Amino acid sequence: NAGVTQTPKFQVLKTGQSMTLQCAQDMNHEYMSWYRQDPGMGLRLIHYSVGAGITDQGEVPNGYNVSRSTTEDFPLRLLSAAPSQTSVYFCASNVGASGREETQYFGPGTRLLVL
Amino acid sequence: AQKITQTQPGMFVQEKEAVTLDCTYDTSDQSYGLFWYKQPSSGEMIFLIYQGSYDEQNATEGRYSLNFQKARKSANLVISASQLGDSAMYFCAMRGINTNAGKSTFGDGTTLTVKP
Repeated sequence: NAGVTQTPKFQVLKTGQSMTLQCAQDMNHEYMSWYRQDPGMGLRLIHYSVGAGITDQGEVPNGYNVSRSTTEDFPLRLLSAAPSQTSVYFCASNVGASGREETQYFGPGTRLLVL
Repeated sequence: AQKITQTQPGMFVQEKEAVTLDCTYDTSDQSYGLFWYKQPSSGEMIFLIYQGSYDEQNATEGRYSLNFQKARKSANLVISASQLGDSAMYFCAMRGINTNAGKSTFGDGTTLTVKP
């Protein structure tokens, strides 16, 4: 059981380039989310999904796209990278429902540097 | 909208002593969950403890306990018998239940340093 996996671990982009951050989970969780963490700050929600084919925006969605074609995968696409998108990106998943099952499981993160 | 406030950017504690990390929250949801996560210098997010808004008893998980005061909207984390390995960043987070179960709001964190 690998949990939540993210690739790549580290990426350097030039301004204007596009790329896709991959996220996969093998726990059959319905809920998946993407967060970004800027230095010295907490995590901010970019996009989330409550199931295959269903996505919605979080707090900071501008400049990012997501899709959820399967339960397992939830890729995050940067359309045209900007230096302000330099951050650490975390993918997370959870069962949903209520109670302790809401606990989110996080991937190891992707460090993105935009020059 | 939900908001989490952690007012202690940094805390120091002597090894083997207890420490309390503060967290206050604001939400219009009737039902919600409160979480604490640990982020060591390696960067991963580690779940520590969960408290449901309708739970009557404070949550405990080993050396971690959550001091939940609903009327004051506070959810402080208490770490007993601190260890050197507890040095890390700690985040308080909350999420609505069911329809909002995919959306978490995080505080800015508290950096805890355990002194030998």
